[in-house]
Amino acid sequence: GAGVSQSPSNKVTEKGKDVELRCDPISGHTALYWYRQSLGQGLEFLIYFQGNSAPDKSGLPSDRFSAERTGGSVSTLTIQRTQQEDSAVYLCASSPQGAIYEQYFGPGTRLTVT
Amino acid sequence: SQQGEEDPQALSIQEGENATMNCSYKTSINNLQWYRQNSGRGLVHLILIRSNEREKHSGRLRVTLDTSKKSSSLLITASRAADTASYFCATAGGNTPLVFGKGTRLSVIA
Repeated sequence: GAGVSQSPSNKVTEKGKDVELRCDPISGHTALYWYRQSLGQGLEFLIYFQGNSAPDKSGLPSDRFSAERTGGSVSTLTIQRTQQEDSAVYLCASSPQGAIYEQYFGPGTRLTVT
Repeated sequence: SQQGEEDPQALSIQEGENATMNCSYKTSINNLQWYRQNSGRGLVHLILIRSNEREKHSGRLRVTLDTSKKSSSLLITASRAADTASYFCATAGGNTPLVFGKGTRLSVIA
C-alpha cells in the first residue's frame, strides 16, 4: 500500500513569508508526528497527534509554528513569518497506534528560507 | 530526558567488515528502536527490541539491549556499500513520542 507522503518535496521561501507543509499518513494510522532535522543533525520532535486526543505540542519551537490534523488523516504544518533558522528538512511519520510503536516516515520537505 | 546518544558519530569500514554502533539513554523505556536514513530524507525502521528482550536478529542485523546499563548496540555483519547511511536509535516510553539520538554516519567502502 501507499506509504506516508509529503508535499512539497522542496520549498524555497523568502524570510517573513508563511509556508504550509502537508503530510498524508498511511491510511488507518491513528498517530502522526512532525519532526525537524537540520543539516547533519538528529531529529527534533515538533508535534504529535494521537486519535482524537489533544495534540502534544511540546516540541514546537515558537508560536510561529502550528499544525492541524483534519479528520484524523491529513496534517498541515504551518510556519508563519519564516526565519532563516527555520531552514531544515521537515519529516512526517505515522504509526498504527500510539507513541511506542514503530514509525513510518515520509520523504520529507526540504525548506530553505532565503 | 530519554534521549538516545549514538556512538561513534561516524564510522568508516571496508565492505565485508562488521559495523557496530552503540546507543545510550537515560531513563526507563518500553522499547528501543533503530532506524536508517539515506541521503538526509525519510527514515526507515530497522528493528524494535522490547525492554524485556536482550537480543534480537533480523537478517544481517543484530541488536542487543542492556537495561541495567541503559545501552543498546546495533551490529551489521558482512557490510555492503549499500549499508552506507546514518543510523539512529530511538527510545519509547509511556505515551511520549520517540526520542531520537543524533545518529551514527556509517560509510562502507567498496
